[in-house]
Order: sequence, then structure tokens, then C-alpha cells
Amino acid sequence: AQKITQTQPGMFVQEKEAVTLDCTYDTSDQSYGLFWYKQPSSGEMIFLIYQGSYDEQNATEGRYSLNFQKARKSANLVISASQLGDSAMYFCAMREAVSNTGNQFYFGTGTSLTVIP
Amino acid sequence: NAGVTQTPKFRVLKTGQSMTLLCAQDMNHEYMYWYRQDPGMGLRLIHYSVGEGTTAKGEVPDGYNVSRLKKQNFLLGLESAAPSQTSVYFCASSWLRSYEQYFGPGTRLTVT
Repeated sequence: AQKITQTQPGMFVQEKEAVTLDCTYDTSDQSYGLFWYKQPSSGEMIFLIYQGSYDEQNATEGRYSLNFQKARKSANLVISASQLGDSAMYFCAMREAVSNTGNQFYFGTGTSLTVIP
Repeated sequence: NAGVTQTPKFRVLKTGQSMTLLCAQDMNHEYMYWYRQDPGMGLRLIHYSVGEGTTAKGEVPDGYNVSRLKKQNFLLGLESAAPSQTSVYFCASSWLRSYEQYFGPGTRLTVT
């Protein structure tokens, strides 16, 4: 089974509108972490936001917020007031504990977001 | 600060050749990681390290070896390259497991 599922291969959004990128995850751990990264066409990976499994409040970082629904195992990224520079691939990722000394990290297949002027 | 750097940026190998990819970070991070990125598959963790002298297997470790002799460096080795190892390789580092990972610019490797 896929650990991270991103069901939207491509999304379009009008500039200045909000957009939600979907992410569901699969784990039996109680302690885990969820991340979102942005990959522009230039190729680098840029950290956007983090949510711990025990965090009760949804994480927010500027225009980014993470809609964390633990019971549904979903961690959707919401980008408010989209800008042209938001056009990129977006990856959802999960840290899952394997032992006391380490972890496994899993990435989804990504969603390509295009912001339309 | 340079952050996370990777050497080389591009490389073409013939099947059966060996090579080492170097990752260096100047942020004093404990954790370091090697990923590969293939089209349509996202990033997959190859190996990681939780500190100097320690390494552990990730999701797709076969065909690769790693070493972390110094805290700031994490080496990824391919002993006998195969066409299936054609990919973009990313190195990353983080303070602790729950902190964001800082990524290097990537190495594009082609095995013919």
C-alpha cells in the first residue's frame, strides 16, 4: 500500500485565488510527522510546512496552511492568495518512526500546480 | 553558509562502473539522507544517517552503500552501476527527525 497518496497529478488555479492540494497517508504509528515541499522547475526542494501527529492545531506558515484531519489520515495543503511564483510541483511527505535511532521518510508522487494570470 | 552541496552535478556512467556522490552540509545537522527521484514516483529514501559513524537503510537501499565518517559529509556509493540507477539523486540534512530537511541541488546520473 502507498504510504503517501496524492491523487491530483495536475491542478490549475487563478492568481489570487486559494487552492487545496490533497494528501492522504497510511501509518499505524502514533507518532509521525507530515511535511510539504515545493519543487520549482529549477529542481531544488523547498520546505513549506510541518505538522506533528500530536499537534492539535493546524500548522500555518504565511500563505500556507496544513489542514490536518487525523481520523481521515489526510494532510491537505492550502495555499491562499496564489501567486505566479507558486507554479511548481508540490510533494507531501511523512516521517514514520522505525526504531529509537531512526526513521523512514516517504514522499508522494507530487501535484503539479499551475497558477494562471 | 553554503547549506547542502552535492558533487558532481551531472555524471554519465557505463554499466558496471563505480562512482561516489559526495554530500556536504555546513549547518551542523545530525541527520543526513540520500534520496532518488524518478519520473512519476516522487522521492524515495535510499539510506540515511542519524550521526557521525552511523548509517541505516531506507526504502530502496539495494545497489548502494553509504558512509558518514565526518558529521558534515555523507557519501553515496554505487559499486557496479546499472541502467535502473539512472535518476536524480538528492541529499538532505536536518537537525533532528522532526525538523524540516534542507536539500542539496541534486545530481543527475545517467547509466548507459
